[in-house]
Amino acid sequence: DAGVTQSPTHLIKTRGQQVTLRCSPISGHKSVSWYQQVLGQGPQFIFQYYEKEERGRGNFPDRFSARQFPNYSSELNVNALLLGDSALYLCASSPALQVTNEKLLFGSGTQLSVL
Amino acid sequence: RKEVEQDPGPFNVPEGATVAFNCTYSNSASQSFFWYRQDCRKEPKLLMSVYSSGNEDGRFTAQLNRASQYISLLIRDSKLSDSATYLCVVNIGSQTGANNLFFGTGTRLTVIP
Repeated sequence: DAGVTQSPTHLIKTRGQQVTLRCSPISGHKSVSWYQQVLGQGPQFIFQYYEKEERGRGNFPDRFSARQFPNYSSELNVNALLLGDSALYLCASSPALQVTNEKLLFGSGTQLSVL
Repeated sequence: RKEVEQDPGPFNVPEGATVAFNCTYSNSASQSFFWYRQDCRKEPKLLMSVYSSGNEDGRFTAQLNRASQYISLLIRDSKLSDSATYLCVVNIGSQTGANNLFFGTGTRLTVIP
């Protein structure tokens, strides 16, 4: 079975532009979460979607938005890019809403560079 | 104060050594706890969940002390392949039932031949 897939793997944008990142969860997983990992830091939670509804939101500005499609894939959209948005964006999928003893499985991420 | 605090290291240890990482969390209502491993420029991967009773997986032992809000990871007989960043992760939950995961900054381990 394919793991969590993200596209693109790398992206270069300039300040003020908009970007859309994509994620396909593991087959059968209904929850997708997005994380931002700045160099030298741990991942920081952005959004969680479950059954196509937003179920959690981290402390990020409204420039960040996301959605989940009927096939459970997801897109993260960032508007008006800032230099500080440069980071590794990770998508994680899980079968259920809550991660207790279940694995939260990450994709290999999209490296976004804003120039 | 950060939700999860870790010593960033780096820890440089010889092969065969025993090394311990510590992590503290600030929210006493935290529900579940994990250690993840992250190799350079790769995604984090679950190493082990952490339980109050303590749990062991081969050379790795994790402990949780809820009273002190402290989590530890012990690696025995270090291998070169253990070189990575180890992330302490705490799920504080939410009213919606969703995850609310907080990651530490990670502790960098290098095992030296």
